Amino acid sequence: EPEVTQTPSHQVTQMGQEVILRCVPISNHLYFYWYRQILGQKVEFLVSFYNNEISEKSEIFDDQFSVERPDGSNFTLKIRSTKLEDSAMYFCASNTWETQYFGPGTRLLVL
Amino acid sequence: GENVEQHPSTLSVQEGDSAVIKCTYSDSASNYFPWYKQELGKRPQLIIDIRSNVGEKKDQRIAVTLNKTAKHFSLHITETQPEDSAVYFCAARGTGTASKLTFGTGTRLQVTL
Repeated sequence: EPEVTQTPSHQVTQMGQEVILRCVPISNHLYFYWYRQILGQKVEFLVSFYNNEISEKSEIFDDQFSVERPDGSNFTLKIRSTKLEDSAMYFCASNTWETQYFGPGTRLLVL
Repeated sequence: GENVEQHPSTLSVQEGDSAVIKCTYSDSASNYFPWYKQELGKRPQLIIDIRSNVGEKKDQRIAVTLNKTAKHFSLHITETQPEDSAVYFCAARGTGTASKLTFGTGTRLQVTL
């Protein structure tokens, strides 16, 4: 069964550094999402992406964040200048119909 | 925007007993309500979902009920087993296939022997 994949599984970075989180959505899916989950808290929506543009973004998704689908398979989340509070698990998700399938996540730790 | 409340935050049941988790949502336009199970350090996995035109759905030991008028939906797990122990999240989605999911705060279910 096809799955959403994400790399890296863990990322440790210094505050102020740029990070790029990568996702490969399920191949025939059309809609892509990034969510984050701070340790012990609920999953929070960051951004949705369809037809090569952002469909919706949350208040969390400020100018430090950007998303890109550089080719036909990858979907990336870039954080330009990381802050301590960006430490979280970042999940990519994709769907064509209603069910959103989640990737295994990237645990980001900002020191 | 949508707001989803979930209760209880923790739930401990004995193996074989039933577990019920309840959620309420605020946006009457929401029309799709999935439930995800998340084991420690793992991705959320869909276990069951319900659409707004359906009042109840069952899949083996798991069932979900939806009351659109009251804007609440519930997850029912019968004959609980230790492997049901996990965090369960409800979510609500607005109209449109690309709409985001708004998650509840999660329920940590512990099934004891």
